[in-house]
Amino acid sequence: TQLLEQSPQFLSIQEGENLTVYCNSSSVFSSLQWYRQEPGEGPVLLVTVVTGGEVKKLKRLTFQFGDARKDSSLHITAAQPGDTGLYLCAGGNNAGKSTFGDGTTLTVKP
Amino acid sequence: NAGVTQTPKFRILKIGQSMTLQCAQDMNHNYMYWYRQDPGMGLKLIYYSVGAGITDKGEVPNGYNVSRSTTEDFPLRLELAAPSQTSVYFCASKRSSEQFFGPGTRLTVL
Repeated sequence: TQLLEQSPQFLSIQEGENLTVYCNSSSVFSSLQWYRQEPGEGPVLLVTVVTGGEVKKLKRLTFQFGDARKDSSLHITAAQPGDTGLYLCAGGNNAGKSTFGDGTTLTVKP
Repeated sequence: NAGVTQTPKFRILKIGQSMTLQCAQDMNHNYMYWYRQDPGMGLKLIYYSVGAGITDKGEVPNGYNVSRSTTEDFPLRLELAAPSQTSVYFCASKRSSEQFFGPGTRLTVL
């Protein structure tokens, strides 16, 4: 069974601060996705990374895939209250299955 | 496109009752998934399907059944509801590596 561990589980910061969320596994994934979920809704895809060492930027969000394709990080610069939500990473394999981490609940206070 | 639709949105069941959670997608995606999400946690894969007529177990399949007679529909069946099945259920379909989620069904078993 492929497992994904996310840290920290909870994060509460002030508007304008920077933060990093981690997603780690002992397994290699063919791709890794980051999703954001708001209360009462389904997750929405933020980014997919597929190449070891890959870095992708989405406005103030920077995503990195580890060289060995076992881990990933999400860095948010100058967090805003609108960034509040549950951030989930998911690892995919070539058989079509996805494994989700337990998520990081981020609260950004104005 | 309606995307991924789920019905019902809410349901309360008594122990031992049965029900079917409906899921439909109009994007012609081959891959479809059922997840459950407990409070403050990530998503656990129940069953998935790589195409019409093909289904396979995920991490937590016990107590559930699925069928995939068409590309569009992927219903999830609970035969003998138990309190441990109280959760929010999400259906998703996949294009490439991106999963598209429905709005969820909140199920309570008393």
